[in-house]
Amino acid sequence: KNEVEQSPQNLTAQEGEFITINCSYSVGISALHWLQQHPGGGIVSLFMLSSGKKKHGRLIATINIQEKHSSLHITASHPRDSAVYICAVVRNTGNQFYFGTGTSLTVIP
Amino acid sequence: DTGVSQDPRHKITKRGQNVTFRCDPISEHNRLYWYRQTLGQGPEFLTYFQNEAQLEKSRLLSDRFSAERPKGSFSTLEIQRTEQGDSAMYLCAAGGGNTEAFFGQGTRLTVV
Repeated sequence: KNEVEQSPQNLTAQEGEFITINCSYSVGISALHWLQQHPGGGIVSLFMLSSGKKKHGRLIATINIQEKHSSLHITASHPRDSAVYICAVVRNTGNQFYFGTGTSLTVIP
Repeated sequence: DTGVSQDPRHKITKRGQNVTFRCDPISEHNRLYWYRQTLGQGPEFLTYFQNEAQLEKSRLLSDRFSAERPKGSFSTLEIQRTEQGDSAMYLCAAGGGNTEAFFGQGTRLTVV
């Protein structure tokens, strides 16, 4: 069983819709990262969280440490948001990332 | 520009050949990671450096794989006697852990 589970695996939305991607993990962590990967492979870090909530533009990330759950929200989605969104955790016993399998988002104009 | 440069971007090699990839973090980062990603999957950890010291290695990293970071700046990942199962995207990341992570564009390896 993967330490990090994401849902949904695939998501199609109409432009302007509010989008939520969920991440659940089963291990103790020191940090959780949300990453964005576009076709071609490059990965960009969106957020690093250890508690609470962070906002950057139309993106909001929240984490509930007790429930071992995080969400990434995109408000007023746009076709350029189409990408794979990956949740990755850093275990509190080490330094490496453990990645979810990603959520493939397609936003239709 | 993520601040991490990987070279080459693409590599096609024949089975049995050796290949070497390079990762250059532009700014100073103590931590450097190598990951491997196959189609439709999330990245899998391969190895981790703190400065020039290789501190963790995944069990995925067979004896055919070796990584170095000789001066604590750039890093190389070598695969000897490549197999078709080695075909994947190899990603390098600097920082990470409890700090922001910076990923390179990756090297896509195809073993034919």
